Amino acid sequence: EPEVTQTPSHQVTQMGQEVILRCVPISNHLYFYWYRQILGQKVEFLVSFYNNEISEKSEIFDDQFSVERPDGSNFTLKIRSTKLEDSAMYFCASRAGSHSGNTIYFGEGSWLTVV
Amino acid sequence: DAKTTQPNSMESNEEEPVHLPCNHSTISGTDYIHWYRQLPSQGPEYVIHGLTSNVNNRMASLAIAEDRKSSTLILHRATLRDAAVYYCIGETSGSRLTFGEGTQLTVNP
Repeated sequence: EPEVTQTPSHQVTQMGQEVILRCVPISNHLYFYWYRQILGQKVEFLVSFYNNEISEKSEIFDDQFSVERPDGSNFTLKIRSTKLEDSAMYFCASRAGSHSGNTIYFGEGSWLTVV
Repeated sequence: DAKTTQPNSMESNEEEPVHLPCNHSTISGTDYIHWYRQLPSQGPEYVIHGLTSNVNNRMASLAIAEDRKSSTLILHRATLRDAAVYYCIGETSGSRLTFGEGTQLTVNP
């Protein structure tokens, strides 16, 4: 069964450093997402991406965050200067179409620890 | 997304059916009802979704009330691996899902 894959599974970084989290969405999917989950809290929407541009973003997704689809397969989340409060599990997701009957598939997550 | 209400927690015994309820009284006629679950330290996993009719797949069944103000996720025979947080989501925008607190399901051996 096709799946969304994420790397790295776990990364520890110093505060102020840049971090890039990588995702390979399901191959024929057109819509891509990043979510995050701080330990013990809800899964929160960060950003959605379609046709090489951001289609929606949350208040969390400030200027420190950026997303990119550098080639036909990868989808990345960059955090420019990490803060302690960025420590969380980050989930990439993708879906084939925007219709709400289409399923969103999630990856296993990248656990980011900022020290 | 439509507001949904779920119990914070439920318990079941292994090999017994589990009925997880969800209220979504503000759901509109075109909002799909999605169910996801999340095991510890894993990403949300798709379980099932539906619009008006009851739905079945290999994981579960989804029973949707005729007025669509509520639905029930049915796990026919709970296993220990079904212990997870179950999220009921009424999707409006077609562009993202909004997760609530969900229902923590405990399965007793």
